[in-house]
Amino acid sequence: EAGVAQSPRYKIIEKRQSVAFWCNPISGHATLYWYQQILGQGPKLLIQFQNNGVVDDSQLPKDRFSAERLKGVDSTLKIQPAKLEDSAVYLCASSLGFGTDNSPLHFGNGTRLTVT
Amino acid sequence: EDQVTQSPEALRLQEGESSSLNCSYTVSGLRGLFWYRQDPGKGPEFLFTLYSAGEEKEKERLKATLTKKESFLHITAPKPEDSATYLCAVPRRGYNKLIFGAGTRLAVHP
Repeated sequence: EAGVAQSPRYKIIEKRQSVAFWCNPISGHATLYWYQQILGQGPKLLIQFQNNGVVDDSQLPKDRFSAERLKGVDSTLKIQPAKLEDSAVYLCASSLGFGTDNSPLHFGNGTRLTVT
Repeated sequence: EDQVTQSPEALRLQEGESSSLNCSYTVSGLRGLFWYRQDPGKGPEFLFTLYSAGEEKEKERLKATLTKKESFLHITAPKPEDSATYLCAVPRRGYNKLIFGAGTRLAVHP
């Protein structure tokens, strides 16, 4: 089966600019996640979708980050305006079931964002 | 507060030198512990899920074990291709989302 697709692979922007990332999950996977991974740390969940509804966005900095999952398939994550501390790898993951119940997460290769 | 701690942060082994990685967690009502492997420039790749104390899972040179407070990933006779960062994760209490540790960076030299 095709894996989780993400684009772009790399992005360099200046602070206060905006940026968007795209994710296409594995076909048939109901749950989609966006994680932020800062260098040397483990991934941190930003937002979780079940189909096209938000399940958990408690860790999403809503003053600058937004995400949507139209039609319950692919998703976009946007940052506006970006700050230096947003430099990280943004990982998209999907799972067949609802989260972790016998349903491991499958990750894309991420988008590496550098904010200068 | 739910927390996952991995040790050591980095580990350097000679090819064939067996060792173990540790993952300790503080979360009540554990509903699974997950191990992932992450290669540079790639997303984490799922390895194992463990659900109860005493459970063991194996895959090639890797064996994961679980106790009530920690999990170990044992690497037997490692090869250079086992070099990667190994991440463990647990579901947060009351939520279906994973909390990840910072990982152990493993380097296996020929």
